[in-house]
Amino acid sequence: DIQMTQSPSSLSASVGDRVTITCQASQDISNYLNWYQQKPGKAPKLLIYDASNLETGVPSRFSGSGSGTDFTFTISSLQPEDIATYYCQQYDNLPRTFGPGTKVDIK
Amino acid sequence: QVQLQESGPGLVKPSQTLSLTCTVSGGSISSGSYYWSWIRQPAGKGLEWIGRIYTSGSTNYNPSLKSRVTISVDTSKNQFSLKLSSVTAADTAVYYCAREIRYSSSWYWFDPWGQGTLVTVSS
Repeated sequence: DIQMTQSPSSLSASVGDRVTITCQASQDISNYLNWYQQKPGKAPKLLIYDASNLETGVPSRFSGSGSGTDFTFTISSLQPEDIATYYCQQYDNLPRTFGPGTKVDIK
Repeated sequence: QVQLQESGPGLVKPSQTLSLTCTVSGGSISSGSYYWSWIRQPAGKGLEWIGRIYTSGSTNYNPSLKSRVTISVDTSKNQFSLKLSSVTAADTAVYYCAREIRYSSSWYWFDPWGQGTLVTVSS
């Protein structure tokens, strides 16, 4: 299985801050990586696919980059509605695997 | 747009079989390049992919669960189902069904997801 790690596991930031989350794969997954947002009590929601492509309707303050084993997810200006846990997920191989998540809240 | 809804018992006894159904509305389960998937999340923890079924009926399972999992599809009802046998407390989780989209033969993502259903394993 491809192991996914994320850092940090949690963070607190102020409204308007730039927030960066990193995701690392245990082997080269090219750009076969997605990012999801999960709000409390809700199902995950796709934000970014193929490492850097923004899903339709997702605000442009969200972005993703990277390839190979190292990936970055950025919120350019944190908003109150961005309070959630963010997960990376690889689809280079089966089984599909997710990172452990990064919980983001407002300072 | 396509929507998914999980249903099934919320409480299962240890050693018994967990059975859940996902009903697809707003589109046919038989059309398109889609994999119909199950994913679970223990309380306060991360997401674990359980397995998937293609519209052709072919399946893929997580090796960690493979000996206990069966995923099937009923196209006449626009539903797909999960059976997990010999459950223990470690199988207590929110279970999600999700559609995995295959795009351009290279890109895959889960969208949409069902709202999730909590299954507790307890006597």
